[in-house]
Amino acid sequence: EAQVTQNPRYLITVTGKKLTVTCSQNMNHEYMSWYRQDPGLGLRQIYYSMNVEVTDKGDVPEGYKVSRKEKRNFPLILESPSPNQTSLYFCASSPPGVAGVYEQFFGPGTRLTVL
Amino acid sequence: AQKVTQAQTEISVVEKEDVTLDCVYETRDTTYYLFWYKQPPSGELVFLIRRNSFDEQNEISGRYSWNFQKSTSSFNFTITASQVVDSAVYFCALSAYTGKLIFGQGTTLQVKP
Repeated sequence: EAQVTQNPRYLITVTGKKLTVTCSQNMNHEYMSWYRQDPGLGLRQIYYSMNVEVTDKGDVPEGYKVSRKEKRNFPLILESPSPNQTSLYFCASSPPGVAGVYEQFFGPGTRLTVL
Repeated sequence: AQKVTQAQTEISVVEKEDVTLDCVYETRDTTYYLFWYKQPPSGELVFLIRRNSFDEQNEISGRYSWNFQKSTSSFNFTITASQVVDSAVYFCALSAYTGKLIFGQGTTLQVKP
């Protein structure tokens, strides 16, 4: 089944404790992206990747890191989480071609709470 | 800078009513794409439609229709004869050739039986 998977789905952590949210897709998509969803703000793009070893900042990259060493994986790293990073996070991937202009397939979301 | 505005935060209708969700966008790009996504109460994001900036034809898919007007920078979404299953948060989004995707704030639609 074609899908985007995220792990964990739910996470409660404390301020300053490094964490990684994994994202994997099995559709051979070149483009992958991370978003956070907050009430009243919609979805905001954190980072995106046009292809392996190519990443770019979205609108809200502060406090986050990403890497794209393999085509299928795009982990989101919070080196020192803070309470304002409490949010619902979505990973997405998009078919080959011009990045971002095709339908994006979203993962199920990761609800992160930072205490 | 690119921007998407969904001015309607919440809409409540009674089943079988028609409802239109507004989306206004801003961009300096001449080539861009507009999207609508649905987020039902279960939380997943579901793609509904993609439209490029050179195609202003309206589109209809069952009870759903979309009206794209470049003159007013709008890409509105209409649900005809709404059903309870249409209750969801709907997002409009904009993308150019940069890899960035800009979402609106979302409109929560509640359809009451």
